[in-house]
Amino acid sequence: NAGVTQTPKFRILKIGQSMTLQCTQDMNHNYMYWYRQDPGMGLKLIYYSVGAGITDKGEVPNGYNVSRSTTEDFPLRLELAAPSQTSVYFCASSYDGGSPYEQYFGPGTRLTVT
Amino acid sequence: GNSVTQMEGPVTLSEEAFLTINCTYTATGYPSLFWYVQYPGEGLQLLLKATKADDKGSNKGFEATYRKETTSFHLEKGSVQVSDSAVYFCALVGVRRDDKIIFGKGTRLHILP
Repeated sequence: NAGVTQTPKFRILKIGQSMTLQCTQDMNHNYMYWYRQDPGMGLKLIYYSVGAGITDKGEVPNGYNVSRSTTEDFPLRLELAAPSQTSVYFCASSYDGGSPYEQYFGPGTRLTVT
Repeated sequence: GNSVTQMEGPVTLSEEAFLTINCTYTATGYPSLFWYVQYPGEGLQLLLKATKADDKGSNKGFEATYRKETTSFHLEKGSVQVSDSAVYFCALVGVRRDDKIIFGKGTRLHILP
């Protein structure tokens, strides 16, 4: 199993540009999450999904959108990039059964908005 | 609401030293407690967990005991190695069905050879 994969690894955007961060998991997990990690600030939840077709806002959803058309994929969309969105973005997944809060993380996408 | 507070870093130790990273929490009832580790350039991975009071989680020589009386879950290791250099996150999940995992701010650990 590849686990959780994210693309791209790095990206530089200009203010106002848009992009989609891709996330795929092959563990058949029903829960998926997007976090951002700012230096010294831990992780903040942007959006999450409990299954295909179901998404919900986390702590910091403004400026982002998500969709979950399949169990495997959970892309994160930035429509109008702003410097405040410069961060490292992590996708994670977990299984709602047994140990639902053991989250499996992807390697991250480092995004710079200038 | 629920929260996690962990000691600020960076923490710098020599190889074979004893490690303690403090973590305290605020929550109602008996939350589940976790330590995650993030190695350079990677995502977080679960290191250990404890789901009820007095439980001890352990993995790779690391241990943490769920102390309800002091609302703490301190991470310890008897003899650290250079390969333990990473950022360590304490985390909590509350008792409600819809509670999400809450991460502390992370503690960066440097081990000197």
